[in-house]
Amino acid sequence: DIQMTQSPSSLSASVGDTVTITCRASQSIRNYLNWYQQQPGKAPKVLIYAASSLQSGVPSRFSGSGSGTDFTLIISSLQPEDSATYYCQQSYNTLFTFGGGTKVEIK
Amino acid sequence: QVTVKESGPVLVRPTETLTLTCTVSGFSLKNSRTAVSWIRQPPGKALEFLAHISSNDEKSYNPSLNNRLTVSKDTSKSQVVLTLTDMDPVDTATYFCARTYQQLLYNFFDSWGQGTLVTVSS
Repeated sequence: DIQMTQSPSSLSASVGDTVTITCRASQSIRNYLNWYQQQPGKAPKVLIYAASSLQSGVPSRFSGSGSGTDFTLIISSLQPEDSATYYCQQSYNTLFTFGGGTKVEIK
Repeated sequence: QVTVKESGPVLVRPTETLTLTCTVSGFSLKNSRTAVSWIRQPPGKALEFLAHISSNDEKSYNPSLNNRLTVSKDTSKSQVVLTLTDMDPVDTATYFCARTYQQLLYNFFDSWGQGTLVTVSS
């Protein structure tokens, strides 16, 4: 199985800050990496696919990078509505494992 | 408009089999660029992939569930069915159905159901 490890598990930042979340795969997954946002009580929503491609309708303050085993999600100019838990997920194979999540809180 | 919706029991007894149905609309289960996956989330915990079924009926399962999972589909009804045998209280979770969309060679979950909370208790 491919294991996905996210860090940090939680963070607190102010409106306008830039936030960085990292995700590491247990083996190379090339750029088969997706990022999701889950707000409390709701289903997840895809933000980024193929490591760096922004899903339609997602604000441009979200960006992704990386390949191989190390990936990054950056939220520029954090907004109050960005308070959520973020998950990475590999699609290198159809076992589709998720990371453990990063909870982002607004100070 | 693409929609997916889960249905099934809210309460299951230990050792029983859970059967959940995902009803989709706005796309065909025969479309080669789409598939359906099941994901669950125990209260307060992370997402966990369970199973996937493609347009050509290829299936994949989370190996940690020890062969307890089965996924099938009825294309004519636009439904995907998940069964999980030998339910245990640790299987208490919100179960999500999601469309798996393929953009070029990349798969991602682009449409999710609202989820259905299943509690395992005697």
